[in-house]
Amino acid sequence: DAGITQSPRYKITETGRQVTLMCHQTWSHSYMFWYRQDLGHGLRLIYYSAAADITDKGEVPDGYVVSRSKTENFPLTLESATRSQTSVYFCASTETSGGASSTDTQYFGPGTRLTVL
Amino acid sequence: AQSVTQLGSHVSVSEGALVLLRCNYSSSVPPYLFWYVQYPNQGLQLLLKYTTGATLVKGINGFEAEFKKSETSFHLTKPSAHMSDAAEYFCAVRTLYSSASKIIFGSGTRLSIRP
Repeated sequence: DAGITQSPRYKITETGRQVTLMCHQTWSHSYMFWYRQDLGHGLRLIYYSAAADITDKGEVPDGYVVSRSKTENFPLTLESATRSQTSVYFCASTETSGGASSTDTQYFGPGTRLTVL
Repeated sequence: AQSVTQLGSHVSVSEGALVLLRCNYSSSVPPYLFWYVQYPNQGLQLLLKYTTGATLVKGINGFEAEFKKSETSFHLTKPSAHMSDAAEYFCAVRTLYSSASKIIFGSGTRLSIRP
């Protein structure tokens, strides 16, 4: 199916465990993003990637690691999960970014609800 | 620095009534402005966007928003609410000369529709 998918949709883990959230898009968009959504905070950018092998920190990167070896995949890893990382995580992608001609419309996946006990 | 403020975390209207969701932004350069909608247990989807040109922007599902530079506002409206409009709505801003990483989302407004 075309679009952007995330897996798993729901995950429960324990403090200190490593967790990887997967994101896959079929549009060959250059830019991909990871956000977390928490009540009262809206969406906050964790990491983004401008292309394969190019990643950069967003607003709240601490405790997270990303990689992008292929254009279509952008996994997010919590190296040692903490309770404060309990959240809903959204992956998004956009074809172009920056510049006067870009509109930066982002397309979002369905989200992963992560609970850290 | 760019920022977005959504006034009211929860708005409740009757079915058939006017919907007004408020958004004010702060930007030192001409902004690009967005409204996204999130239905329960789903990701965000674009409702409408303002880049340049006409300040009244029409989106999907009968929503529209007007960019008012003098008021730094981008309020979302719909003349007649429908039960299916119940969702969370996010205003977002991107400045013209910065990278995609600078899209800032507001904290969201949850819209409830009363029968």
